[in-house]
Amino acid sequence: DIQMTQSPSSLSASVGDRVTITCQASQDISNYLNWYQQKPGKAPKLLIYDASNLETGVPSRFSGSGSGTDFTFTISSLQPEDIATYYCQQYDNLPSFTFGPGTKVDIK
Amino acid sequence: QLQLQESGPGLVKPSETLSLTCTVSGGSISSSSYYWGWIRQPPGKGLEWIGSIYYSGSTYYNPSLKSRVTISVDTSKNQFSLKLSSVTAADTAVYYCARLVVMAPAHAFDIWGQGTMVTVSS
Repeated sequence: DIQMTQSPSSLSASVGDRVTITCQASQDISNYLNWYQQKPGKAPKLLIYDASNLETGVPSRFSGSGSGTDFTFTISSLQPEDIATYYCQQYDNLPSFTFGPGTKVDIK
Repeated sequence: QLQLQESGPGLVKPSETLSLTCTVSGGSISSSSYYWGWIRQPPGKGLEWIGSIYYSGSTYYNPSLKSRVTISVDTSKNQFSLKLSSVTAADTAVYYCARLVVMAPAHAFDIWGQGTMVTVSS
């Protein structure tokens, strides 16, 4: 099984700050990684697929990078509406999917 | 636009079978580009993929749940369903249905239902 870890588990940042979340896979998953945003009480929303491709309609302040086992998700300028938990998800081990444990982002 | 809606009992007794249905509206469940999936989230915890199905009926299950899970599709009703047997309190969660888009090699859950809370309790 492929295990996913994320760090930090939570963070607080100020509006306008650059925020970075990392996701690590237990084995090489190429670029087979997605990022989701989940606001409280809501369903997850796909933000980035294939590690770095922005889903249609998602603001450009969100970005992703990485390949192999180490991945990064960045919010270039944190906005109040970005308060959410962010999850990475691998799809290298099809047809199974594994989500990371999540990173909760708050406003300082 | 495409929408997904989960439905089913919000309370299930231990050892019984949890049954949920996802109704797809605004598009066809029989599209060749998509699979359909179930994902759950225990209160205060992360996301767990349960399984996926293609409109032809091909199914794929999380190995950790495989012995208890059945996912089926009814193309005439544009619905797919989840059955989880022998439930315990550990199965208490919000259950989401979602569309799995395949843009080879990418696979992503791009449209989600609002989720339905299922509590296992006597």
